[in-house]
Amino acid sequence: NAGVTQTPKFQVLKTGQSMTLQCAQDMNHEYMSWYRQDPGMGLRLIHYSVGAGITDQGEVPNGYNVSRSTTEDFPLRLLSAAPSQTSVYFCASSYSDGFYEQYFGPGTRLTVT
Amino acid sequence: GIQVEQSPPDLILQEGANSTLRCNFSDSVNNLQWFHQNPWGQLINLFYIPSGTKQNGRLSATTVATERYSLLYISSSQTTDSGVYFCATDKETSGSRLTFGEGTQLTVNP
Repeated sequence: NAGVTQTPKFQVLKTGQSMTLQCAQDMNHEYMSWYRQDPGMGLRLIHYSVGAGITDQGEVPNGYNVSRSTTEDFPLRLLSAAPSQTSVYFCASSYSDGFYEQYFGPGTRLTVT
Repeated sequence: GIQVEQSPPDLILQEGANSTLRCNFSDSVNNLQWFHQNPWGQLINLFYIPSGTKQNGRLSATTVATERYSLLYISSSQTTDSGVYFCATDKETSGSRLTFGEGTQLTVNP
């Protein structure tokens, strides 16, 4: 299993540009989430999904959109990038067969200038 | 929402020393997990422990749900234990909405 994969690893955007961060998992997990991590801080939940076709907002959803058309994929869209969205973005997945441990992808480091 | 506080914020050890990291949470939870973020940024799940005690090699964890705290023990520390340790909780069993503490930065010197 590849686990949770994220692309790209690094990205630089100009203010106002849009882009999509990709996330995929091959563990047949029902739950998937997006977090952002700012320097010296813990992770904060952006959006999450409890299954294909179901998404909901987390703590810091403004400026981001998600969709979940398949169990495997959970892309995060930045609609109009702002410098405040400079961060490291982590995708995570969890839950199958009664196991609730959360597994994280390697992260995407995004800089908005 | 749930507040998660971790202590100490920073910890420096000599190789071979033992340590205890603490996580306090403000409300009852049904999901609690400990993670290690290595110096390259990768987050690794250490324990899923909403209650009770678990051990995995030199690491062990105890959660006392009724008193709203969890402890992570590291024995005979090694330089590879360096990094940030996060505690994260969720009121729901699913853990799909984890709330993270700010972490404990551990440095193990040779």
